[in-house]
Amino acid sequence: KQEVTQIPAALSVPEGENLVLNCSFTDSAIYNLQWFRQDPGKGLTSLLLIQSSQREQTSGRLNASLDKSSGRSTLYIAASQPGDSATYLCAVNTDKLIFGTGTRLQVFP
Amino acid sequence: GAVVSQHPSRVICKSGTSVKIECRSLDFQATTMFWYRQFPKKSLMLMATSNEGSKATYEQGVEKDKFLINHASLTLSTLTVTSAHPEDSSFYICSARLGGAYPEAFFGQGTRLTVV
Repeated sequence: KQEVTQIPAALSVPEGENLVLNCSFTDSAIYNLQWFRQDPGKGLTSLLLIQSSQREQTSGRLNASLDKSSGRSTLYIAASQPGDSATYLCAVNTDKLIFGTGTRLQVFP
Repeated sequence: GAVVSQHPSRVICKSGTSVKIECRSLDFQATTMFWYRQFPKKSLMLMATSNEGSKATYEQGVEKDKFLINHASLTLSTLTVTSAHPEDSSFYICSARLGGAYPEAFFGQGTRLTVV
């Protein structure tokens, strides 16, 4: 059974810091991995998708890496801003789409 | 990216009634759709996986008779919460996934269900 864990569960940092969010999964037979953000009471916003054959993807200040063999992905956020405050979720795509436990991020001015 | 429309976005119903939530892929055909439930401050819990024209596969602990899922076409899946109780109040989100060698999932905006 695929289990997806995210560390840390919560993170509070001052504006401008570079951040690393971690996602680990137990079954490496995945199609791809997606990172999402979710604002309170809202739906999901897709941030990055990494295919199983890729090592990383970049979009603006976001960079996601994937090490399938070790069952890990990281989301790197450069120069964090208060607008980045949200819950970040990774999701692993196999025959099912399983979400991680989430990281609640707060960036204060 | 592809668009998934979920309706309604909010619904309030009385205990004992049934509520239907629709999930539509607007510009693509989804071979697989997923339904999730999210409790406050928790992650998304997969309830069931549905493929067009076949019965949904429910996750362990999810009541099939309470959460009826129908995937009648490649663009529409519905979740019906039957005989709703206050403990069914939650945020429900659907996802539609493209097929092929590199499937990507797209999400609806979610439905906030409140049972009074």
